Amino acid sequence: KNQVEQSPQSLIILEGKNCTLQCNYTVSPFSNLRWYKQDTGRGPVSLTIMTFSENTKSNGRYTATLDADTKQSSLHITASQLSDSASYICVVSGVATDSWGKLQFGAGTQVVVTP
Amino acid sequence: NAGVTQTPKFRILKIGQSMTLQCAQDMNHNYMYWYRQDPGMGLKLIYYSVGAGITDKGEVPNGYNVSRSTTEDFPLRLELAAPSQTSVYFCASSQPDRVGYGYTFGSGTRLTVV
Repeated sequence: KNQVEQSPQSLIILEGKNCTLQCNYTVSPFSNLRWYKQDTGRGPVSLTIMTFSENTKSNGRYTATLDADTKQSSLHITASQLSDSASYICVVSGVATDSWGKLQFGAGTQVVVTP
Repeated sequence: NAGVTQTPKFRILKIGQSMTLQCAQDMNHNYMYWYRQDPGMGLKLIYYSVGAGITDKGEVPNGYNVSRSTTEDFPLRLELAAPSQTSVYFCASSQPDRVGYGYTFGSGTRLTVV
């Protein structure tokens, strides 16, 4: 069973509207949680990284929240733009030094922004 | 500022053929990784390396081999291609001297085995 579950699988929103993506995880112990944006045909690009002591972090119009007690995170996109159309991936690390690749990837939420 | 460069971008292989996916980074990162991404699934780690001359298996290593002779390069070798290896392959690098560092991904290689 995947230790990182994302919802919804996909969503369509109108340009200028807001949306929120969800990430639930069971990874334990927990070290940090990352949100990545992956454009079609490209590699993932980091949006935010949060450790267990942080409960919110922003990057422009993207705001991530983290509740380490309930093991939930959300990514909020404000005033969506056409360029926000992409897959958004939640990634959780269970160790402090995850240099050896012990990241758990969610399957992603595909966001389509329409004019 | 190239980051992580992968070649080729696309490739079609016949069953049983072999090929090498190339990955190079110019950030002097010690750590490098190979992932595969299948439709509707999260990225899965194939192999990783913590420095030149050191490699280790990830979650799904069967059917693949790697080498790391230099800090910059981390090629992935498929010896006998199988349809199950049809996927998008991503190389990544990182320098984990602190918690919260980021991974830099290449743009991927889309491989189809027919």
